[in-house]
Amino acid sequence: EVQLVESGGGLVQPGRSLRLSCAASGFTFDDYAMHWVRQAPGKGLQWVSGIIWNSATSGYADSVKGRFTISRDNAKNSLYLQMNSLRVEDTALYYCAKEIKKQWSRDGFDIWGQGTMVTVSS
Amino acid sequence: QSALTQPASVSGSPGQSITISCTGTSSDVGGYDFVSWYQQHPGEAPKLMIYDVSNRPSGVSNRFSGSKSGNTASLTISGLQAEDEADYYCSSYTSYTTLGRVFGGGTKLTVL
Repeated sequence: EVQLVESGGGLVQPGRSLRLSCAASGFTFDDYAMHWVRQAPGKGLQWVSGIIWNSATSGYADSVKGRFTISRDNAKNSLYLQMNSLRVEDTALYYCAKEIKKQWSRDGFDIWGQGTMVTVSS
Repeated sequence: QSALTQPASVSGSPGQSITISCTGTSSDVGGYDFVSWYQQHPGEAPKLMIYDVSNRPSGVSNRFSGSKSGNTASLTISGLQAEDEADYYCSSYTSYTTLGRVFGGGTKLTVL
């Protein structure tokens, strides 16, 4: 079964750090670009960051640029999001998502995890 | 980078057809054929319904179709069913940032 499972969320104070993980299974992980998408409570979807299959290229939304770092370990079939200098407005459910086409980086996301909740509050 | 513009809500009766619009710019919707549509039921992860403007992933009903004209993409659902009631989000690749995507604000579909 193709599956993505996120972990690492929790309650954290403003200014602190958190590292999210996403474990992939059921497909050849290193064939696909991967992304993080978040959804604040009661709000819409927001793209956060993406990384291509071989880690050579990554991108970030303006709201997280310079604070968040995306990475992947293809040997471990895992995607990560290091989140530093967290703000109250980063509070959201964070999903990892897989692109539908191999080695491409502009397509839709066909597999999503169930998300991990990050709450930034003092 | 501004979000794509979608209507906040649409509604229709069972068996009818509805269309949800999604308006962007030449840097996203209008510039590339990389528009996707997602369905999200409460408490669930989004589900890909359309990609590359008009392609359906395996397993998605052919009642769902997509199109694009200029800077506006559209999702049409025909033969509305009760289980279609959900939030729908459009998304597009954007040249604003590397690997970037932009989402619409979401449209709540109510099946009357």
